[in-house]
Amino acid sequence: DTGVSQDPRHKITKRGQNVTFRCDPISEHNRLYWYRQTLGQGPEFLTYFQNEAQLEKSRLLSDRFSAERPKGSFSTLEIQRTEQGDSAMYLCASNTGGRNIQYFGAGTRLSVL
Amino acid sequence: TQLLEQSPQFLSIQEGENLTVYCNSSSVFSSLQWYRQEPGEGPVLLVTVVTGGEVKKLKRLTFQFGDARKDSSLHITAAQPGDTGLYLCAGINTGTASKLTFGTGTRLQVTL
Repeated sequence: DTGVSQDPRHKITKRGQNVTFRCDPISEHNRLYWYRQTLGQGPEFLTYFQNEAQLEKSRLLSDRFSAERPKGSFSTLEIQRTEQGDSAMYLCASNTGGRNIQYFGAGTRLSVL
Repeated sequence: TQLLEQSPQFLSIQEGENLTVYCNSSSVFSSLQWYRQEPGEGPVLLVTVVTGGEVKKLKRLTFQFGDARKDSSLHITAAQPGDTGLYLCAGINTGTASKLTFGTGTRLQVTL
C-alpha cells in the first residue's frame, strides 16, 4: 500500500497558462475526491468520482476546471487560463465506497504569478 | 461557504498545558471527523464520531460529539510539541458519498 500520490508537489505558473495535476489513489479504492485548500483554511470539496464516473461537482468548479478519471484508476485535474485566485493546495483523497475514511495525498501546491 | 466554524483559529501554548478546540455548525451531520494536518502534507484522520453525545478518547485526546450532532470538541491534555499542527473537523451526511465538509481549521503551536 503506497498511499495516495499526487504529482507534481509544487507548480508555479504564469497567469493565463493551463496546468494539469495527477492523482494516483490507493489501488483498490473506487472513490476519488478532489479538494482545494487555501492558506490557513480547511479544504473545500471540488468533485468526486466513483470508478470512472464523475458523480458530483461543486459550484467552486468553474468552467475553467475539468477533472477526469478515464479508467477508474488515476485522475487528472486541469485548470485552463489560470488566475491568481486559483493559487491553493489541491488535495486528492480516495476511499472504498461504503466506508467514511478518506486517505489524502500530500497535495499539489499551485502558485499563479 | 464553510458550514463548520472552528474556534479558536490559532492557539499558541506551552508544553504541558491543556486546550480545547470547538467545532460548531447550524447543520446536523450524520457523523463528524477530526483530522490533523502538518505543513506540506494532507490531512490525516484522528477519529470519527457518529452518535450524539458520543465521547472518544485517543491517548491524550478526547473528542465529543454534541447531543444534537451539530457541534464537536477536541480536548488535548498535557500538550506536547508533537501535537503542533492544523486541526480540522469535517462533517459527513448520509447519502453524500462520504463527501467531507471541512471546518475553518485551528492552528495549534506547542512550544517547549
